[in-house]
Amino acid sequence: NAGVTQTPKFQVLKTGQSMTLQCAQDMNHEYMSWYRQDPGMGLRLIHYSVGAGITDQGEVPNGYNVSRSTTEDFPLRLLSAAPSQTSVYFCASSYRRTSNGYTFGSGTRLTVV
Amino acid sequence: KNEVEQSPQNLTAQEGEFITINCSYSVGISALHWLQQHPGGGIVSLFMLSSGKKKHGRLIATINIQEKHSSLHITASHPRDSAVYICAVTGERSNFGNEKLTFGTGTRLTIIP
Repeated sequence: NAGVTQTPKFQVLKTGQSMTLQCAQDMNHEYMSWYRQDPGMGLRLIHYSVGAGITDQGEVPNGYNVSRSTTEDFPLRLLSAAPSQTSVYFCASSYRRTSNGYTFGSGTRLTVV
Repeated sequence: KNEVEQSPQNLTAQEGEFITINCSYSVGISALHWLQQHPGGGIVSLFMLSSGKKKHGRLIATINIQEKHSSLHITASHPRDSAVYICAVTGERSNFGNEKLTFGTGTRLTIIP
């Protein structure tokens, strides 16, 4: 049982490049979400999904796309990276009806130069 | 003013001391979460609660819904408790208690041997 797996752990992009941050979970969790963490600010929700085929925007969705074709995977796409997207990104998942909280991935540190 | 405020921002204590971290929120909620972020960056869910009190080992979390306030206590603190502790809430319009978290900025706890 691997939990939530995020790849890559580190990435450096040039402005304008595209990339996909991968997130996979093997716990059959319905709910998956992406957050970014910036110094001096709390984690902020980018996008979330309550099940396969269903996604919605969070607090800071601009510049990011997501899709949820399977229960297990929830990739985050940066179509044209900008320096403002330099951040640490976390994926998290949970059952929809739970009192046990979330399981977080180990994070991806992204630098856009 | 942020919807979720934590205090103190930084806390340094001697090993063995009783620790209290506070969280106040300004919105109606369906649940409150306490998370621990290790120095290496990983995030672990400690508690999810909507009323009363929960205990796990040396950690105790309480919530007062009427006062919109929660506390995280650590008894017999140890250097391995050194981490950032993050409070987060799920708004009361959530049907499931675990969607669209709003986070505080965290409390950095350092326990000195």
